[in-house]
Amino acid sequence: GESVGLHLPTLSVQEGDNSIINCAYSNSASDYFIWYKQESGKGPQFIIDIRSNMDKRQGQRVTVLLNKTVKHLSLQIAATQPGDSAVYFCAEAQAGTALIFGKGTTLSVSS
Amino acid sequence: EAGVTQSPTHLIKTRGQQATLRCSPISGHTSVYWYQQALGLGLQFLLWYDEGEERNRGNFPPRFSGRQFPNYSSELNVNALELEDSALYLCASGRTGNYGYTFGSGTRLTVV
Repeated sequence: GESVGLHLPTLSVQEGDNSIINCAYSNSASDYFIWYKQESGKGPQFIIDIRSNMDKRQGQRVTVLLNKTVKHLSLQIAATQPGDSAVYFCAEAQAGTALIFGKGTTLSVSS
Repeated sequence: EAGVTQSPTHLIKTRGQQATLRCSPISGHTSVYWYQQALGLGLQFLLWYDEGEERNRGNFPPRFSGRQFPNYSSELNVNALELEDSALYLCASGRTGNYGYTFGSGTRLTVV
């Protein structure tokens, strides 16, 4: 079946920099997208979501951008902190289905 | 509010045996989702239960099964365990139609 993928398996940034994590999806019928953060030894934690009728949504220090034309999703983290170090997953769903996750990008923040 | 709880935290089984994993959702959540997270493979969708019924199933063999109880808790059963079943099994809960799942910390299953 179709799945969600990520462009880069790892991303290393300096504390205070802005981070951008990218995701490509293939199911044009998906109408809901989520970013999750998973720290070592823990389950994934919800960060931010966006519906297909939007192209941008902002949260606290995070912004999700959706480009349906090229089926691309990105997560921007402002002023990245060491506590942001984790694996980040994007996930997609359409009505009546469960979330389908990508493989994840490991974000490493050095101080 | 108590989060999603999974038990046991760790489970070691021998190839060919059966494993039973348990999940208690957040109070008020009627949907339970099971995912397998093998090393380097991300989260693979296994099963979705809502209101006691199986709503959706991922691309896994029939030896992966489960159920949801009247109190919305759920169990995942894996029969005839194989070495490649070794993984972290994550349970998530949510309200029907809401995709903001809350995940538990998982059960680490090791098959030897």
